[in-house]
Amino acid sequence: SQQGEEDPQALSIQEGENATMNCSYKTSINNLQWYRQNSGRGLVHLILIRSNEREKHSGRLRVTLDTSKKSSSLLITASRAADTASYFCATDAGAGTALIFGKGTTLSVSS
Amino acid sequence: GAGVSQTPSNKVTEKGKYVELRCDPISGHTALYWYRQSLGQGPEFLIYFQGTGAADDSGLPNDRFFAVRPEGSVSTLKIQRTERGDSAVYLCASSITVQETQYFGPGTRLLVL
Repeated sequence: SQQGEEDPQALSIQEGENATMNCSYKTSINNLQWYRQNSGRGLVHLILIRSNEREKHSGRLRVTLDTSKKSSSLLITASRAADTASYFCATDAGAGTALIFGKGTTLSVSS
Repeated sequence: GAGVSQTPSNKVTEKGKYVELRCDPISGHTALYWYRQSLGQGPEFLIYFQGTGAADDSGLPNDRFFAVRPEGSVSTLKIQRTERGDSAVYLCASSITVQETQYFGPGTRLLVL
């Protein structure tokens, strides 16, 4: 079963625009991670945010976490064509072991 | 340093055959995870190892699936009597310890004809 649900399922924007993806989950977590996947192969880790953190930044990426609403958002600023990929949020199951992934958001950035 | 590697990158087999998929984790990482990803879905957990032992195998779909990590490094996922429904990308990840960032390999794309 999948805990995380990303929204929207698909997003199309122009280069230079910002992209926001949201993730909701069901049970309490230890941390939440965002991954990017190109062409259905390996996942690239973007950011890990712990349950006691509210916001983290990494380059053009900004992640927020609201544990009261069981939701997270990923913001990509000044998007580029190379950002085109699927983005997944993943939460631990509360026991800090395996990750539970959502179905992902497919982002398409056109130039 | 080297990332997680998986071999083979692609595997085509016939229904009923036995397959082995290999994962080489990042050196020094004690935790190793196997996931399976079907088209249009997110990865689904299969099994994870802490050291040599399987700490959680609750994601294995049935007893045709088995995984080992005999020396606490390389792991092999074994699938007996493959079925067409086993076709998917099998992903391996490792982390320095549990509750830390998991780094994924490129995956093995398994096709059962």
